[in-house]
Amino acid sequence: EAAVTQSPRSKVAVTGGKVTLSCHQTNNHDYMYWYRQDTGHGLRLIHYSYVADSTEKGDIPDGYKASRPSQENFSLILELASLSQTAVYFCASTGQGGNERLFFGHGTKLSVL
Amino acid sequence: GDSVTQTEGLVTLTEGLPVMLNCTYQSTYSPFLFWYVQHLNEAPKLLLKSFTDNKRPEHQGFHATLHKSSSSFHLQKSSAQLSDSALYYCALSDHPSSSFSKLVFGQGTSLSVVP
Repeated sequence: EAAVTQSPRSKVAVTGGKVTLSCHQTNNHDYMYWYRQDTGHGLRLIHYSYVADSTEKGDIPDGYKASRPSQENFSLILELASLSQTAVYFCASTGQGGNERLFFGHGTKLSVL
Repeated sequence: GDSVTQTEGLVTLTEGLPVMLNCTYQSTYSPFLFWYVQHLNEAPKLLLKSFTDNKRPEHQGFHATLHKSSSSFHLQKSSAQLSDSALYYCALSDHPSSSFSKLVFGQGTSLSVVP
């Protein structure tokens, strides 16, 4: 079973502060994704990456940055956290792009106060 | 753009009754369709994926049939179990012929099975 590890599992941040969510996979997957989960909206794609040192914007990238320093690691950065960014964030990876199975991490619950 | 619609936000069923969760889609292409399931406090995981040869995928008693004519991929099970209680997502791949495709998810349907 593919392993995707997210840290932290939960975080409380202050409005205007910087938040970094980390994701690590040990599956030799090229494709990594950051999704946001909100009730009524499902899973929405924020940023994704096909290769190290390159990231792409997803459907809701505003207010987020991403970094892929290596094949194994993919971070999501909130430079100025806002109340509206309170959500659960999921990282996922796959070896063959969106036509194949995504392996998800357990999620990070972010509360911005 | 591509989209997936799950009309039911919450479905409550009595154990033993059949399950049907609706999923319809809009896509420029002939996409792959998926069902993912997320149990409480767990990560989403793949439940089913559509086949290219119109075979019906099945897993853990669940099955789904891709109907291109009606753009639907409804999830079904003949008899609900308490352990089926979870959040179910329907999703499609936006460029099925490309490895650079991404998944587009629906809003999710929360299934609650009661005794």
